[in-house]
Amino acid sequence: SQELEQSPQSLIVQEGKNLTINCTSSKTLYGLYWYKQKYGEGLIFLMMLQKGGEEKSHEKITAKLDEKKQQSSLHITASQPSHAGIYLCGAPPSGTYKYIFGTGTRLKVLA
Amino acid sequence: DAGITQSPRHKVTETGTPVTLRCHQTENHRYMYWYRQDPGHGLRLIHYSYGVKDTDKGEVSDGYSVSRSKTEDFLLTLESATSSQTSVYFCATFDRGFYEQYFGPGTRLTVT
Repeated sequence: SQELEQSPQSLIVQEGKNLTINCTSSKTLYGLYWYKQKYGEGLIFLMMLQKGGEEKSHEKITAKLDEKKQQSSLHITASQPSHAGIYLCGAPPSGTYKYIFGTGTRLKVLA
Repeated sequence: DAGITQSPRHKVTETGTPVTLRCHQTENHRYMYWYRQDPGHGLRLIHYSYGVKDTDKGEVSDGYSVSRSKTEDFLLTLESATSSQTSVYFCATFDRGFYEQYFGPGTRLTVT
């Protein structure tokens, strides 16, 4: 079965610093989703990547799907306290709608 | 925002009692999902539905059953709750033509 591994598991950064979160799949990705979860709340969709090499941005958050389509990175530029939360990557295994998710990355931004 | 509600939002129950969690959507989405979220495990799929009365198991379905008699409602039942089922449960919906799953606010379940 397909698995998604995220790194790092947790991250504490000073406000204004850049950071990167990685999501690595054990199999080829046919679409990769990034979600953000504020502590104690539901998940909010950030962006979806489908094509190898594709890159998308949402405000100061940029995500990219590598050419081989087995890894995605999410990069935050000039982090702010509002970026704090849990970031999860998710993907539907080929031919299914049974989504799987990574274990999540907890981000804390110090003001 | 997709109209997804979950009830109850919080519940404390005793080991061995049955528990039913409800997910209600107003978006007429075909697919509905139940996940549980636990520290160190992220989100794990319990069951999902691809239409009324059509359901399938996820990776952690043991001890759980589901039912979907209407498009808008997806019920998750713990037949006999155990302490290992203490978790936060999320419902989500999806339909083709949209990019993402839409998530409900979650239900925090504690089994004592």
